[in-house]
Amino acid sequence: SQTIHQWPATLVQPVGSPLSLECTVEGTSNPNLYWYRQAAGRGLQLLFYSVGIGQISSEVPQNLSASRPQDRQFILSSKKLLLSDSGFYLCAWSVPGVTPLHFGNGTRLTVT
Amino acid sequence: RKEVEQDPGPFNVPEGATVAFNCTYSNSASQSFFWYRQDCRKEPKLLMPVYSSGNEDGRFTAQLNRASQYISLLIRDSKLSDSATYLCVVNIDNDMRFGAGTRLTVKP
Repeated sequence: SQTIHQWPATLVQPVGSPLSLECTVEGTSNPNLYWYRQAAGRGLQLLFYSVGIGQISSEVPQNLSASRPQDRQFILSSKKLLLSDSGFYLCAWSVPGVTPLHFGNGTRLTVT
Repeated sequence: RKEVEQDPGPFNVPEGATVAFNCTYSNSASQSFFWYRQDCRKEPKLLMPVYSSGNEDGRFTAQLNRASQYISLLIRDSKLSDSATYLCVVNIDNDMRFGAGTRLTVKP
């Protein structure tokens, strides 16, 4: 069966520090991969999605970037965090096509 | 106009009530549709897909109206455990867009 791992679960970082969140999927090949952010009390905002290695679509201009160095690995990064980057970051995968998303447990990021 | 819009809520209903949520989408080329449930401080979890013919899973019924570009979720005989935020999702070419969510609280 397919599983998705996302870490860390919680993170507290100072403003201006770098960020790296990692997500890996097991049990499937060539998945679509997604990063979402959810601010407190708000809906899910699509940040990036990827349909293959090295293929990244960015939805919102910001100081975040994403990379997909391997088929089942998706990384979210920032060189310098802002206070507004605080939120609940969720990685998700799907089988290409019209299938649903499956989410990791999320990372709760607080930028202080 | 937002790509996916939902009833703002919150919905506060007694146990046993029937409650319905609607969600509209702007892109007529949208290909697939889903309802998710999100509990407080947790990740969203798939509740059910939405098909043009309508589909039912126990107390939950989902409907899609492509002509009017909306989807709906009906919950019958509400339980306390149904309290959560319900999110509609619209997919076009692997781009999955979420509504802002509708919060439901079922009270004894």
